[in-house]
Amino acid sequence: KQEVTQIPAALSVPEGENLVLNCSFTDSAIYNLQWFRQDPGKGLTSLLLIQSSQREQTSGRLNASLDKSSGRSTLYIAASQPGDSATYLCAVSGAGSYQLTFGKGTKLSVIP
Amino acid sequence: ETGVTQSPTHLIKTRGQQVTLRCSSQSGHNTVSWYQQALGQGPQFIFQYYREEENGRGNFPPRFSGLQFPNYSSELNVNALELDDSALYLCASSLIPFRETQYFGPGTRLLVL
Repeated sequence: KQEVTQIPAALSVPEGENLVLNCSFTDSAIYNLQWFRQDPGKGLTSLLLIQSSQREQTSGRLNASLDKSSGRSTLYIAASQPGDSATYLCAVSGAGSYQLTFGKGTKLSVIP
Repeated sequence: ETGVTQSPTHLIKTRGQQVTLRCSSQSGHNTVSWYQQALGQGPQFIFQYYREEENGRGNFPPRFSGLQFPNYSSELNVNALELDDSALYLCASSLIPFRETQYFGPGTRLLVL
């Protein structure tokens, strides 16, 4: 059974700082990995999707990396802004499986 | 291009009742997945519908059931509601099951008293 863990559970940083969020998964047989953002009480917004054959994806100030063999992904946020404050969720899609398995998320607070 | 919409936004029910939640997928998407998100947890996969057929199911009892219609909109039905069913219910649509980005709706917040 696939399990996804996100560390830390919460993170508070001053505005302008670069930061890294971590995600690990137990079964390396994945099809892809996605990072989502969730604002309080809201739905999920897709940030980046990395296919299992890829090593990283970039969008603006966000960069996500994937090391499938070690079961790890990181989301790097450059020059953080107060508007980045949200919960960030990582999810994996298992090869041959229909389940998208999520971690519990990292709650990020960027202090002005 | 319209996004994923869900109705209602909030709902209060009592234990033992039945509830129906609705989802309209993003234009052109033929796959809809439903998730349950309890407070402080990540979303849990309930089931997925692809071209009106159930395409996969998570670890949820049979009292959770669904439908997908020819226009690819979908319903989630929950019978015999329990207190633990209180959660945010999310639906997501995509063009190919789990092969690309899933687009999520804003969710329905269900409270069971």
